[in-house]
Amino acid sequence: DTAVSQTPKYLVTQMGNDKSIKCEQNLGHDTMYWYKQDSKKFLKIMFSYNNKELIINETVPNRFSPKSPDKAHLNLHINSLELGDSAVYFCASSQGSGGSTSTDTQYFGPGTRLTVL
Amino acid sequence: ELKVEQNPLFLSMQEGKNYTIYCNYSTTSDRLYWYRQDPGKSLESLFVLLSNGAVKQEGRLMASLDTKARLSTLHITAAVHDLSATYFCAVIPTGGFKTIFGAGTRLFVKA
Repeated sequence: DTAVSQTPKYLVTQMGNDKSIKCEQNLGHDTMYWYKQDSKKFLKIMFSYNNKELIINETVPNRFSPKSPDKAHLNLHINSLELGDSAVYFCASSQGSGGSTSTDTQYFGPGTRLTVL
Repeated sequence: ELKVEQNPLFLSMQEGKNYTIYCNYSTTSDRLYWYRQDPGKSLESLFVLLSNGAVKQEGRLMASLDTKARLSTLHITAAVHDLSATYFCAVIPTGGFKTIFGAGTRLFVKA
């Protein structure tokens, strides 16, 4: 059983399109994250939800909108895609939210490689 | 804001040799993590270090934490080709929620 799954794995699209990436975790974790990994492998957090509540909202364009219908799912919708959005997007989950006393090790999904043409 | 710096960023080493990757961070932290990423793959947790002086070992990898120096090390003993990957350290600042990742160290072990 896959602990953190993402769909699709690859996404190739034209500039200006709108696309969504879905993430699901079956670990029973309370917190989920979206990260962007650029071509130089630099990993930057974008959003985090704890029990469906947004707790981290980094400075990203408002074309990016996360949605958490329940604590096992966190989706990322991107409007008006731009060339600079091309990257690998990772979803992750952890038991706590970083401010708790648990170890909060994050479990990462396989990634979605987004290519904007 | 918390900054996390790793060095070296790239490391090419021969099998059988030892080496250390360093991770410095700029503010106080309760937790430090090491992750491994194979090319084209996801990140996998290696270690979590929770207190000053913590040391954890698995196989040929050993991680340690000095919170006073704000420094963690990942020591590789008698490297083998299978250890070739990118290693990230990541830190959550004291009282914070956000995990900040270092830039990663790309390790290549030559057979």
